[in-house]
Amino acid sequence: QQQVRQSPQSLTVWEGETAILNCSYENSAFDYFPWYQQFPGEGPALLIAIRSVSDKKEDGRFTIFFNKREKKLSLHITDSQPGDSATYFCAAGMTGTGSKLSFGKGAKLTVSP
Amino acid sequence: NAGVIQTPRHKVTGKGQEATLWCEPISGHSAVFWYRQTIVQGLEFLTYFRNQAPIDDSGMPKERFSAQMPNQSHSTLKIQSTQPQDSAVYLCASSSDWNTGQLYFGEGSKLTVL
Repeated sequence: QQQVRQSPQSLTVWEGETAILNCSYENSAFDYFPWYQQFPGEGPALLIAIRSVSDKKEDGRFTIFFNKREKKLSLHITDSQPGDSATYFCAAGMTGTGSKLSFGKGAKLTVSP
Repeated sequence: NAGVIQTPRHKVTGKGQEATLWCEPISGHSAVFWYRQTIVQGLEFLTYFRNQAPIDDSGMPKERFSAQMPNQSHSTLKIQSTQPQDSAVYLCASSSDWNTGQLYFGEGSKLTVL
């Protein structure tokens, strides 16, 4: 059973546009939501994360919007750059479970110059 | 500061053979995790250790998969009698704080079972 779902599976935007990647989850006990970025041939790398007590987390061009009631979150990448082309994974975890994360299947972002 | 080191980067085995994958976590990190990545299933949790002790192996296929962490500087994932469906990228990650969710992944070991 997929506990974390992502949409779309792939997205293409032009350079300078805002890319929006969506994520939803099943388990209300999840309280930590990191996004990981993965380039081909590399392991995923933590990009930005939010805890369920917040509804927004910003780090430069990357912003997470979180809706606890609807169990949804989204990653916004503003002023997208070709170097942002990668696969993005939404993940969810629970305090007390030792960083064991459930991952979505990923969203492949392509930024065209 | 070196990241998580995984060896080998690529391994090809014949069906029924054994495969052992190694992971060297970041020095000082107390938690080590193993994940499996495939196109179809995405990233699947396999098992994790905290301070070398096995904590949760709920994602491990019980019969042929085993993981160990004999010391704080390395962990191994062993797959016996490999099957084509075991073909995947096996990712090791470590964390300095087992409860923060901040995982640092290695580049992975790509296993191909013919």
